[in-house]
Amino acid sequence: GAVVSQHPSRVICKSGTSVKIECRSLDFQATTMFWYRQFPKKSLMLMATSNEGSKATYEQGVEKDKFLINHASLTLSTLTVTSAHPEDSSFYICSASPGTYNEQFFGPGTRLTVL
Amino acid sequence: DQQVKQNSPSLSVQEGRISILNCDYTNSMFDYFLWYKKYPAEGPTFLISISSIKDKNEDGRFTVFLNKSAKHLSLHIVPSQPGDSAVYFCAATTSGTYKYIFGTGTRLKVLA
Repeated sequence: GAVVSQHPSRVICKSGTSVKIECRSLDFQATTMFWYRQFPKKSLMLMATSNEGSKATYEQGVEKDKFLINHASLTLSTLTVTSAHPEDSSFYICSASPGTYNEQFFGPGTRLTVL
Repeated sequence: DQQVKQNSPSLSVQEGRISILNCDYTNSMFDYFLWYKKYPAEGPTFLISISSIKDKNEDGRFTVFLNKSAKHLSLHIVPSQPGDSAVYFCAATTSGTYKYIFGTGTRLKVLA
């Protein structure tokens, strides 16, 4: 159990376009979902926390107008990178929490490359 | 400000021997700690966790030790196997926040 999927797994886009990444909890309801970003050979950096039906809480330094997060249902959260630039190229990982003590289940990640 | 640190970026161990991965933290509010294993281009996979009320937790070949006074935890893998080769991240959180703070990772290579 506790499977989280992400789609797409890999995306290449042109500079200036917007890209949407989906995160789904497949076998549980996720009251909270998290979006992380990992730079090469670096740690996972939390970008934002989203609760179903409410606005996401962004970490310091993360542009909320650039990284739009929607958590419309208990099983789906989306991250939209708007007007993507090459510096947005990264590995984006989501996680989902069923609301029980300290648990997060991670998705497989999405590799974004902006040309 | 790196609240969770893994000072060894890499570690090589012979198959069958013990692997010891270390993690230090600075925030005394952290009360729950986790270890994750990660392969390139994949999400982290949970290995083992420990609450601050304990100093040791064991699960098969994996044991996590917590020294609260030193703000230090370690992951022991014994015996190490080639399939254990991956990047290991420690993470810390404060109960109720659900926010994980990850360390920088240690790349473990188990040599056959």
